[in-house]
This record gives sequence, structure tokens and C-alpha cells, in this order.
Amino acid sequence: AQSVTQLDSQVPVFEEAPVELRCNYSSSVSVYLFWYVQYPNQGLQLLLKYLSGSTLVESINGFEAEFNKSQTSFHLRKPSVHISDTAEYFCAVSVAGTSYDKVIFGPGTSLSVIP
Amino acid sequence: EPEVTQTPSHQVTQMGQEVILRCVPISNHLYFYWYRQILGQKVEFLVSFYNNEISEKSEIFDDQFSVERPDGSNFTLKIRSTKLEDSAMYFCASSETGSFMYEQFFGPGTRLTVL
Repeated sequence: AQSVTQLDSQVPVFEEAPVELRCNYSSSVSVYLFWYVQYPNQGLQLLLKYLSGSTLVESINGFEAEFNKSQTSFHLRKPSVHISDTAEYFCAVSVAGTSYDKVIFGPGTSLSVIP
Repeated sequence: EPEVTQTPSHQVTQMGQEVILRCVPISNHLYFYWYRQILGQKVEFLVSFYNNEISEKSEIFDDQFSVERPDGSNFTLKIRSTKLEDSAMYFCASSETGSFMYEQFFGPGTRLTVL
């Protein structure tokens, strides 16, 4: 069965410092990987995704994630965080379902940016 | 920009009562989903819906739950007899197709509190 692990439940980081949010998955088949962000009192938004091709994917707000098949990881990084990046971040995998592709979420990492 | 909307934002109910959570998916989307997030836990898939019928459902989605698309715009989740453990944030999502290559757009959620 597929599963997603996010080792860090909470990550405090100072503004303008770099951050890495870790994500590991387990699957016996090929998967497709996502990072979703949930800002306070809002719904989930897709931050970036890996489907195929280049293993490094980027978002429009400076985040990037690298797919590492051998380590079954998809860590999220940003070289310099802003206060506005404070949110809950969910790593997710998509697996083929009977009629649609199911998204399985990790438990989430709460990123707190300290001024 | 089109978005998924959900009402109410917060619903408080007594144990054993019926609740209906409402969602308006993005208008040209064909696949609809409900997820839930118990406080402090990960987002869990409940059910997917396509062509006026359930495509897939999780173990959580037992006989107490039902979904319906009563008209061309609304997508509802009904919990027939609420239990304390149904307290959670419920997210509706929609997508153009069932493929992972098409993003699932999430609504802001309805927080259900069962007393």
C-alpha cells in the first residue's frame, strides 16, 4: 500500500533563512508527487507537482522540490523564506485508481516563519 | 479566477443529528471529491463522484455518509446520524478529469463540530 511520511510535524525558521521540509513515500508502483499548502483558515492549494521529466520542479513563489527515486523522497526547499510562507504543507502521492487517480496525503508539516 | 466554494464555513450539531455540507465545484469540472481532516491529523480521502454516481469510496465512508449532486451546481455530503468522531474539517474538491495530471481544486472547508 502507498503511504506518505513527513518526518517533521513542526518547523520553525527565521525569516530569510533557508528551509527544507522532508517527504518520503512508499509505493510498489510508479507514483506522482505533489506538495499542497494550506494557509491559515483556507483550503488546500497545489504548490507544485512532479509527473515526469526533470526531477527538479519549481513553484512560482520560490519553492522547489526534487524527486529522488532511489531514496523515495520528494523534499521541499526554499532558499529564503518570508513571513507569508507560514502555513501547513502537505506532501501527497497519486496512485492509479479504478476510475480516477487517488491522492494520498501525508500528515503535514507546520512551517512557522519567525520575524 | 474560478474557485470551489463551501457552505457553511462552520457547522455545530448535536450527536445523532443529520448534517448536510454543501459545495459548489468549478463549473466545467466533472469529478468531485470529499476529504476530511480531523484536527491535528492528515487529510483523508472520503469519496469521489462522477457522472452522478460514486466512483470510489474509502473505509471511512460508511452507510452514515451519502453524496448527491441535486442540481447542476451543488455537490453535497450528508451525514445521517453524526457521531463525536465526525468532528473534522471537510474539504470538497473538483477536477476536470479523474487523472492526476489535472489538478484537484479544493474549497476552503467546512468545520464540523459534533457535541
